[in-house]
Amino acid sequence: AQKITQTQPGMFVQEKEAVTLDCTYDTSDPSYGLFWYKQPSSGEMIFLIYQGSYDQQNATEGRYSLNFQKARKSANLVISASQLGDSAMYFCAMRGVKGKLTFGQGTILTVHP
Amino acid sequence: DGGITQSPKYLFRKEGQNVTLSCEQNLNHDAMYWYRQDPGQGLRLIYYSQIVNDFQKGDIAEGYSVSREKKESFPLTVTSAQKNPTAFYLCASSSNRQTYNSPLHFGNGTRLTVT
Repeated sequence: AQKITQTQPGMFVQEKEAVTLDCTYDTSDPSYGLFWYKQPSSGEMIFLIYQGSYDQQNATEGRYSLNFQKARKSANLVISASQLGDSAMYFCAMRGVKGKLTFGQGTILTVHP
Repeated sequence: DGGITQSPKYLFRKEGQNVTLSCEQNLNHDAMYWYRQDPGQGLRLIYYSQIVNDFQKGDIAEGYSVSREKKESFPLTVTSAQKNPTAFYLCASSSNRQTYNSPLHFGNGTRLTVT
C-alpha cells in the first residue's frame, strides 16, 4: 500500500522569501514517481513537478524544486521567491507501478505581502 | 486545445436520486480516473480505468458506478446508495496505463450538492 504524509496543515511565508513544504511517503514498490500539485481556490489541480525514484538529481522547474531524500523517504517542495499568486493548497502525491496516484492531505500556503 | 472537460461545474440533486457526472478528454489518453475531495481534505480515488471496457475500484467505490465504452469518456454515476455524496469530484487522465512517471492531468471538477 502507498501512503503520503503531509504534516503541515498550513504554512505562511513572506513575499519574495523561500518556503519548504514537507512530504514523506511509504511504498513497497521498487519504482515510483513523486508529484506535487497546486490547487488554487478555484479548484483545478495544476501539476508542478515530478521526481522519479531512480533519478539521481533533484528535480527543478522554474521556482519549484524538489528536495528528494530517498533513504528518508521524503520529497519536500521548495518554492523560491514566493509570490502572492502562490497562495493555494499544495498536494504531494505518489504513483506506483500499478498507476494509481495517491495524495497526501495537503498544505495550505499563504503568502503575505 | 487538448484537455479534460467536466460538466457541469455545479450540480444540485435531491437525496435519493442518482446523478451522472460527465468527463471527456481529447488527449488520447489510455487511463482515466475519478477522485473525490471533501473540504480541506486530500483526493481519494473512486474508480479508475486503464483501457476501454475495463475499470477497477479505487479506495472508496461504494455507492458509485462507472462505464468506459469509449476511450474519450468516463462518466461517473453517484447512486442513492452513496451516504455522503456532497463533495467536489475531479476527473483525471494519463498517457500511460501503468507507468509511474507520468503525471495525471485533471479536469476543473464538478461540485455536487445533495440536499
